[in-house]
Amino acid sequence: GAVVSQHPSWVICKSGTSVKIECRSLDFQATTMFWYRQFPKQSLMLMATSNEGSKATYEQGVEKDKFLINHASLTLSTLTVTSAHPEDSSFYICSASLGPAWEEQYFGPGTRLTVT
Amino acid sequence: QKEVEQDPGPLSVPEGAIVSLNCTYSNSAFQYFMWYRQYSRKGPELLMYTYSSGNKEDGRFTAQVDKSSKYISLFIRDSQPSDSATYLCAMSSGGGADGLTFGKGTHLIIQP
Repeated sequence: GAVVSQHPSWVICKSGTSVKIECRSLDFQATTMFWYRQFPKQSLMLMATSNEGSKATYEQGVEKDKFLINHASLTLSTLTVTSAHPEDSSFYICSASLGPAWEEQYFGPGTRLTVT
Repeated sequence: QKEVEQDPGPLSVPEGAIVSLNCTYSNSAFQYFMWYRQYSRKGPELLMYTYSSGNKEDGRFTAQVDKSSKYISLFIRDSQPSDSATYLCAMSSGGGADGLTFGKGTHLIIQP
């Protein structure tokens, strides 16, 4: 099946710094990528939808200036957490859509962010 | 009321038992219903999907959707210790171009 990778898998950063997370579709071109956040023992919450070459669409309550998303190519989307704070510590997971059928959405392994 | 409700468990059953996992939802616009399996610190893996109401079977797994009751289920027959994981239900009103709304996930433990 299609493979989605994320880098890094785990990152620790200091409060006030920024951290970038990459999401790559390794063997297919993804027209749409999604970013989710999962707090411990909570469900995955959709943060934003990213389409190649256009601005991301953010869900209500997600600060677009804090969570910068860039989808520069059909195989790469990046999420930058700016001025990170401890409450941003979470598990960030991306998914990539192969096409219009919903089952063609593949999840990455996730990135665990810890802000100290 | 949250859009998707799912008992987080943990649910512990002996090996070989039939497992029943359930979710309820409130948004009548949901048309696509999925079940994902997630191991600790890993991304979700798609197990089953169903469009609208009905049943779908795949090996030991059966997914059921009752839109009139806004209730979906996943049954696992002949459960194995390797089935131990967190099972997430997810829903969407559109096709693959829409993000998914997830339940909290049920932590399932299959005792050898």
